[in-house]
Amino acid sequence: EDKVVQSPLSLVVHEGDTVTLNCSYEVTNFRSLLWYKQEKKAPTFLFMLTSSGIEKKSGRLSSILDKKELFSILNITATQTGDSAVYLCAVLVSGAGSYQLTFGKGTKLSVIP
Amino acid sequence: NAGVTQTPKFQVLKTGQSMTLQCAQDMNHNSMYWYRQDPGMGLRLIYYSASEGTTDKGEVPNGYNVSRLNKREFSLRLESAAPSQTSVYFCASSEYRMQTQYFGPGTRLLVL
Repeated sequence: EDKVVQSPLSLVVHEGDTVTLNCSYEVTNFRSLLWYKQEKKAPTFLFMLTSSGIEKKSGRLSSILDKKELFSILNITATQTGDSAVYLCAVLVSGAGSYQLTFGKGTKLSVIP
Repeated sequence: NAGVTQTPKFQVLKTGQSMTLQCAQDMNHNSMYWYRQDPGMGLRLIYYSASEGTTDKGEVPNGYNVSRLNKREFSLRLESAAPSQTSVYFCASSEYRMQTQYFGPGTRLLVL
């Protein structure tokens, strides 16, 4: 059974702190790993990672994938209250002609002023 | 571009009632998906449609049916709602199956 595990489940930091969110996976037929940010409503796409060791960056957010050790991290520097959200990690797997996203349970980040 | 839209936003049903959740996308995407999100369980795939005219079961299909009406629309039907189907339902779409999925705003369903 495919498994995606995120840690920590929740995190409280002060504005300006740097945070690292973790995602480990055990899946067959890995294709890519995706990070989403979920505030009150729909998850919004952050990054898709396919290759090991290549950092994806968008503003204060960055992410990297290690396909040998089967994990990814999402870094957020100089956190702001607007970064408060649930961050979801998902792994795209293929099999029997289909592709499916398996999600972790998320990390709830709270940034306090 | 509205992206992915879902109706209704919120619905209360009694056990045994039926309803259809509607989803539409205007991004000309080929693949569409239905997920449910429950506390402590993350997002779980109910059904998906890789392309117009095809549908397949996901991780938790029991109690649901789907229809890919055309390229834009993908509906989810609960024939006889049960309290265990109380959840938030998200529709998503992607250009192709391997690509990034974009989510709608969700439908919050309460079954009494």
